[in-house]
Amino acid sequence: DAGITQSPRHKVTETGTPVTLRCHQTENHRYMYWYRQDPGHGLRLIHYSYGVKDTDKGEVSDGYSVSRSKTEDFLLTLESATSSQTSVYFCAISDSGSFFGYTFGSGTRLTVV
Amino acid sequence: AQKVTQAQTEISVVEKEDVTLDCVYETRDTTYYLFWYKQPPSGELVFLIRRNSFDEQNEISGRYSWNFQKSTSSFNFTITASQVVDSAVYFCALSEDGNAGKSTFGDGTTLTVKP
Repeated sequence: DAGITQSPRHKVTETGTPVTLRCHQTENHRYMYWYRQDPGHGLRLIHYSYGVKDTDKGEVSDGYSVSRSKTEDFLLTLESATSSQTSVYFCAISDSGSFFGYTFGSGTRLTVV
Repeated sequence: AQKVTQAQTEISVVEKEDVTLDCVYETRDTTYYLFWYKQPPSGELVFLIRRNSFDEQNEISGRYSWNFQKSTSSFNFTITASQVVDSAVYFCALSEDGNAGKSTFGDGTTLTVKP
């Protein structure tokens, strides 16, 4: 079983609608992260969590919010989706912060039309 | 502020050639971690290696080797005798100590290995 799963894998939504992406882990890792991947930009950090109910912004957090009510779940919400948020979203987990690197989920491809 | 530069956007080689992917980083911290990740055409991201700033030993794993040089702020990745299965996007990343594990990624290098 994969230690980290993302849902949905693909989603098409309309501009202006709210969207929630889910990241679920079974590794009991403390740290969780949401990144977006766009051509020519590598991966950019949206938000991250360092514990239950402990979250903070990354470099591209505008238009996004997150919640972590349980260790295993980290939700990313696009409050009002825009075409500029069309991207591939990756969730990552880490046990000890930076020390060991990330395990990534399989990604969610989001298209905003 | 931390920054990672992968100047090579795309590289194309013929199978069995050696290829080096460059990574240059910037950080003001003395303790930091460097990583390489692989993203094959299927899209998943796979961790390859981690290096901390106090360990400048080069590492070899099969056909893969990594050269870390603090003097030039570089962490380069060499694939020896490349194979078609090595075709992927490769990302270099940097994480500063005590920063909740936040990593800054380079823009990636797309490697195409032709048969």
